[in-house]
Amino acid sequence: QVQLVQSGAEVKKPGASVKVSCKPSGYTFTDYYVHWVRQVPGQGLEWMGRIDPNSGATYYPPNFQGRVTMTRDTSITTAYMELSRLRSDDTAVYYCARDYRSRGWSDYFDYWGQGTLVTVPS
Amino acid sequence: EIVLTQSPDTLSLSPGERAILSCRTSQSVWRRYLAWYQQKPGQAPRLLIYGSSNRPTGIPDRFSGSVSGTEFTLTISNLEPEDFAVYFCHFYGTSRTFGQGTKVDVK
Repeated sequence: QVQLVQSGAEVKKPGASVKVSCKPSGYTFTDYYVHWVRQVPGQGLEWMGRIDPNSGATYYPPNFQGRVTMTRDTSITTAYMELSRLRSDDTAVYYCARDYRSRGWSDYFDYWGQGTLVTVPS
Repeated sequence: EIVLTQSPDTLSLSPGERAILSCRTSQSVWRRYLAWYQQKPGQAPRLLIYGSSNRPTGIPDRFSGSVSGTEFTLTISNLEPEDFAVYFCHFYGTSRTFGQGTKVDVK
């Protein structure tokens, strides 16, 4: 079955960077875009961008451009999201999610990782 | 940027009742770019509806989506105990935003 397994919780100081991994299984890694979405505890969801694991091409929305970097390693079928210059308001659960559409993008998501809590104390 | 406003914030109902959740967009959008997710505490969201009214394989038919103008609606007919959760709408067109969520809890 399809699963996306993420790395564990992180505590980072303001100004540092965090890199979260996402390892899908149960399907061909390069056939589906991987998205990243975050959720401040008790609040709503915020889309951070997507990566095409086949080509490595990325798309970031304006509010994350310059601070987020999404990469992948096809040899170990793992996607990564790195967020830099962390602030206390970056404290959130970060999810990776699989795009619904194969070999393209729909920008909605059918399978999600379990989430990674990143805490940035103020 | 499209803003999504969900209402009500909380809906208190009993099992077997019908839930009607609203998601209004700040401007007219193409109906195909709206999805709904269900989220339970400590879990990741689950896709319920895409393209305003389409259900992925495995989603029960008691979940249905519709649209009228700028108001999108998720209807859950005959609430089951496992349906009590938070529901988010999601616009994935020119901008990609989520509503703030509606909590469906037990009355």
